[in-house]
Amino acid sequence: GAGVSQSPRYKVAKRGQDVALRCDPISGHVSLFWYQQALGQGPEFLTYFQNEAQLDKSGLPSDRFFAERPEGSVSTLKIQRTQQEDSAVYLCASSQGSSYNSPLHFGNGTRLTVT
Amino acid sequence: GENVEQHPSTLSVQEGDSAVIKCTYSDSASNYFPWYKQELGKRPQLIIDIRSNVGEKKDQRIAVTLNKTAKHFSLHITETQPEDSAVYFCAVPYSGGYQKVTFGIGTKLQVIP
Repeated sequence: GAGVSQSPRYKVAKRGQDVALRCDPISGHVSLFWYQQALGQGPEFLTYFQNEAQLDKSGLPSDRFFAERPEGSVSTLKIQRTQQEDSAVYLCASSQGSSYNSPLHFGNGTRLTVT
Repeated sequence: GENVEQHPSTLSVQEGDSAVIKCTYSDSASNYFPWYKQELGKRPQLIIDIRSNVGEKKDQRIAVTLNKTAKHFSLHITETQPEDSAVYFCAVPYSGGYQKVTFGIGTKLQVIP
């Protein structure tokens, strides 16, 4: 009965480094989301997967951000050439269904600090 | 895209008092409205939701009311307890059919013992 698992829990990167953040959704969940949460703000949508298909990436802030979910389960969010403004908590959420009222289950997030 | 406004941004109440948080939204096609609670350093968790075919829903000390005409919905917490202290987010899913969700800015609730 594990929930959504994210790793690493904390990541410190020097400006310009590439990082990869991992999300293990709840087994069998069709939908997977990535959100970015800046300090004191609400989560901001980044991208959405339905199984392995990336149906919406409109929230990715730049082409330095890339997400994948090749087998429809584990997902990775990659940030290239990190900048200080990328510092935030990155939340992954999964949902059993794909309809609008299927509740989101969030992971604990990865706190990224870019120095 | 969806425009969600949430207020107040901070709220302090004495233990036992009630707390009310309000959100307004822009897309009149929206018809599902969840509320999430996020304790410090933890994940957001769904605490209650409402669908547009009802005007109010209660779950013990928590209730949500919806006014579709005015496009706003509110979270009500009665008999507040210290463990209610957290940040509360309203959310409005994308009306296009999947759960791309726009969150409010959050309300930091502090319950003073």
